[in-house]
Amino acid sequence: GAVVSQHPSWVICKSGTSVKIECRSLDFQATTMFWYRQFPKQSLMLMATSNEGSKATYEQGVEKDKFLINHASLTLSTLTVTSAHPEDSSFYICSARDLVSYEQYFGPGTRLTVT
Amino acid sequence: GQQLNQSPQSMFIQEGEDVSMNCTSSSIFNTWLWYKQDPGEGPVLLIALYKAGELTSNGRLTAQFGITRKDSFLNISASIPSDVGIYFCAGQLRGAGNMLTFGGGTRLMVKP
Repeated sequence: GAVVSQHPSWVICKSGTSVKIECRSLDFQATTMFWYRQFPKQSLMLMATSNEGSKATYEQGVEKDKFLINHASLTLSTLTVTSAHPEDSSFYICSARDLVSYEQYFGPGTRLTVT
Repeated sequence: GQQLNQSPQSMFIQEGEDVSMNCTSSSIFNTWLWYKQDPGEGPVLLIALYKAGELTSNGRLTAQFGITRKDSFLNISASIPSDVGIYFCAGQLRGAGNMLTFGGGTRLMVKP
C-alpha cells in the first residue's frame, strides 16, 4: 500500500526557534499534499494545501509567514514553523494525494513541543 | 474549519459487544471515509464509500453512505481490545479541491 513518511516523528524546541517537518510519499507521486494540526483530544484541522511547484493555499486563520510550506518535488513537502511559541505545540500530520488514483494517504504525524 | 457532527464522542464497551457511530452534515458529500487513529499515529483508512446508499464491509467493520449524502455510519461487530482508538469520519466533495472535512472523532475504549 501507499506509504507516507514524516520526519521527525517528534521534536522539542525552544521558543523563538524554527522547526522544519518533512512529508514524503514513498511509493507514489503527489502533486498535492495537505498539512493538518491536531490538538489533544481534538480532530484534525486543515492548515494548508501544498501544491507542487506553486504556492500553498492556507486556511483562514493560518499565518502563511509563520507556517512556511515548500513543495519542491512530487514526493516531498516541508512545513517550517518559524519563531515557534508554546502555543504552536501540537501534533502535525501531513497527507499526500496520489496523482494517479487521487486517493489521500496520511503520514504518521510529528509531535512538536515548544518549551 | 468546518467539522461534521460525529457521535458519540466516546464509548466504553465490553469486549464482544457491537459498536455503532455516525456522522451527519448539513451539506452533501460524494465520498465518505472512515479512519482509525491510534495514539501518536496518523489516521489509517478503514472504509471508503463512494455512492449514496452504498453499504461496505471490511472484516468486522461495516459502513454505509446515507441516501441523502449527508450522513454515514460505521458499525464494528464483536469488538476486541485492539479496536481501541479514535475513529474519525470524513466527508469529501470531489472536485472542490478534494479536501477532507473531518468529524470530531469517537473515542472507543474496550474492556477485556
